[in-house]
Amino acid sequence: EPEVTQTPSHQVTQMGQEVILRCVPISNHLYFYWYRQILGQKVEFLVSFYNNEISEKSEIFDDQFSVERPDGSNFTLKIRSTKLEDSAMYFCASSGLYTDTQYFGPGTRLTVL
Amino acid sequence: GENVEQHPSTLSVQEGDSAVIKCTYSDSASNYFPWYKQELGKRPQLIIDIRSNVGEKKDQRIAVTLNKTAKHFSLHITETQPEDSAVYFCASLRSNDYKLSFGAGTTVTVRA
Repeated sequence: EPEVTQTPSHQVTQMGQEVILRCVPISNHLYFYWYRQILGQKVEFLVSFYNNEISEKSEIFDDQFSVERPDGSNFTLKIRSTKLEDSAMYFCASSGLYTDTQYFGPGTRLTVL
Repeated sequence: GENVEQHPSTLSVQEGDSAVIKCTYSDSASNYFPWYKQELGKRPQLIIDIRSNVGEKKDQRIAVTLNKTAKHFSLHITETQPEDSAVYFCASLRSNDYKLSFGAGTTVTVRA
């Protein structure tokens, strides 16, 4: 069964550094998402992406964040200048056309020191 | 925006007993309600979902019920087994929307 994959599984970075989190959605899916989960808290929506543009974003997704689909398979989340409070598990998800079901990747644990 | 509340936060049951997790939502435009199971260190996995035009859905030992009037939905696990131990999240999605709104999660422990 196809699955969403994410790399790396764990990223440690210094405050102020840029990070890029990578995701490979399920191949025939058209909608892509990023969520994050701070330790002990709810999973929170960050952004959705369709047809090469952002379709919706939350208030968390400020100018420090950007998303890109650089080729036909990858979907990336960039945090330009990381802050301590960006430390969280970041989940990528994807869904197909005419379905609401979102399938999640295994997550990238981001630790900002 | 949508607010999803989930209870209880932890649930311990004896193997073979039933487990029930309840969620409420605030936005009457929500029409899709998935449940995810997350084992330690693994991805959230969809285990069952329900749409607002259905009151109940069952898949083997798992069932979900939805009360649109009261804006609440519940997950029922019967004949629990140790492998049911995990964190369970409810979520909701509004029609023509993209973002899932999640509950805070319930840690279920099945005692052998």
